[in-house]
Amino acid sequence: QKEVEQNSGPLSVPEGAIASLNCTYSDRGSQSFFWYRQYSGKSPELIMFIYSNGDKEDGRFTAQLNKASQYVSLLIRDSQPSDSATYLCAVKEDQTGANNLFFGTGTRLTVIP
Amino acid sequence: KAGVTQTPRYLIKTRGQQVTLSCSPISGHRSVSWYQQTPGQGLQFLFEYFSETQRNKGNFPGRFSGRQFSNSRSEMNVSTLELGDSALYLCASRSRTGLQNLNEQFFGPGTRLTVL
Repeated sequence: QKEVEQNSGPLSVPEGAIASLNCTYSDRGSQSFFWYRQYSGKSPELIMFIYSNGDKEDGRFTAQLNKASQYVSLLIRDSQPSDSATYLCAVKEDQTGANNLFFGTGTRLTVIP
Repeated sequence: KAGVTQTPRYLIKTRGQQVTLSCSPISGHRSVSWYQQTPGQGLQFLFEYFSETQRNKGNFPGRFSGRQFSNSRSEMNVSTLELGDSALYLCASRSRTGLQNLNEQFFGPGTRLTVL
């Protein structure tokens, strides 16, 4: 059974700080990694994806992937109250050709004004 | 372009009943995936349909089934409802199936099912 683990939080950071969200996965064959943001009562929306080891930056968001350690993280710089949401890590294991994503249970982030 | 739509948005059923949920994908999208979201288990994949064929299936009992129509709209059915089936059911659409464009998958608003 493939597992994706996240700290459920809540994680609280002051406005303007860096929020660091972490995710570990059990399947070494995993190749694609996604971060979704889900506001309360809303559906998930994709904010970042990463396939290669290292960092990928998009605006205030940076995804970091370390396949050797089976670890993916999301950094949010200059955190804003509007970033308060649950962040879901999702992993796609490519080798079998299966098209489904495995999600963690999410980390709830609160940005304090 | 309209997003993914799901109906109904809220549903209350009792144990033993069956339920059918509907999902209309983004225009032009032919892949529809269904997910169940609960506080304890998080988001779990149910199945994916593409061109009216089930392409992939998650680890759920046979009470959960689905289908897709020629216009790409999809329905999922849960028979003999149990209390544990209470969840948010999300569908997601993308233009193609396969490994390449999971980053282009968009979720609908979900159907909140409560089983009493």
